[in-house]
Amino acid sequence: NAGVMQNPRHLVRRRGQEARLRCSPMKGHSHVYWYRQLPEEGLKFMVYLQKENIIDESGMPKERFSAEFPKEGPSILRIQQVVRGDSAAYFCASSPTGLSGANVLTFGAGSRLTVL
Amino acid sequence: DAKTTQPPSMDCAEGRAANLPCNHSTISGNEYVYWYRQIHSQGPQYIIHGLKNNETNEMASLIITEDRKSSTLILPHATLRDTAVYYCIARGNTGKLIFGQGTTLQVKP
Repeated sequence: NAGVMQNPRHLVRRRGQEARLRCSPMKGHSHVYWYRQLPEEGLKFMVYLQKENIIDESGMPKERFSAEFPKEGPSILRIQQVVRGDSAAYFCASSPTGLSGANVLTFGAGSRLTVL
Repeated sequence: DAKTTQPPSMDCAEGRAANLPCNHSTISGNEYVYWYRQIHSQGPQYIIHGLKNNETNEMASLIITEDRKSSTLILPHATLRDTAVYYCIARGNTGKLIFGQGTTLQVKP
């Protein structure tokens, strides 16, 4: 059973470029969550998606960040025109269903973005 | 989801039980208590969760007080590899987990 797969594991971008981070949930999981962890800080919720739907984007920055989870393929977190402050670890989690508190979220190993 | 309060840091001797406390005095009836840990900068690792009853799995035990206002995570025989930040989270029907600052557990030889 493959876990939550994130790629790339490490990504380097120059200021102004775009970053795309991919997350393949565990088999049978249809809910995806993205978190960001800035250096020496805690994990911050960004967005929660179900297939083809954004359920909760209350933690997403208002500009430059977007997320999708299409019917087919992985979830994508897209950061346009990256700035140095976007340098962070981005973690994805998945769960089989969403809104019940009983459903365990399983996290991936993360994607580490460095903006030069 | 209810706010949780944890001590910022704790030490434990290798081989001894590590007891990590968590207060969640405003927890509501449908909110589960979850524990995750993060070892260095790896992805958070699920440990255990419970609603009302005490729970045990191969990693740990979770003791929830009868009024559900607090809980304790017990690692029965801590090893050096258990050194990590431990997060106690009250999770309801919003779906997401909200991480606080957690407790940094240092297991010492």
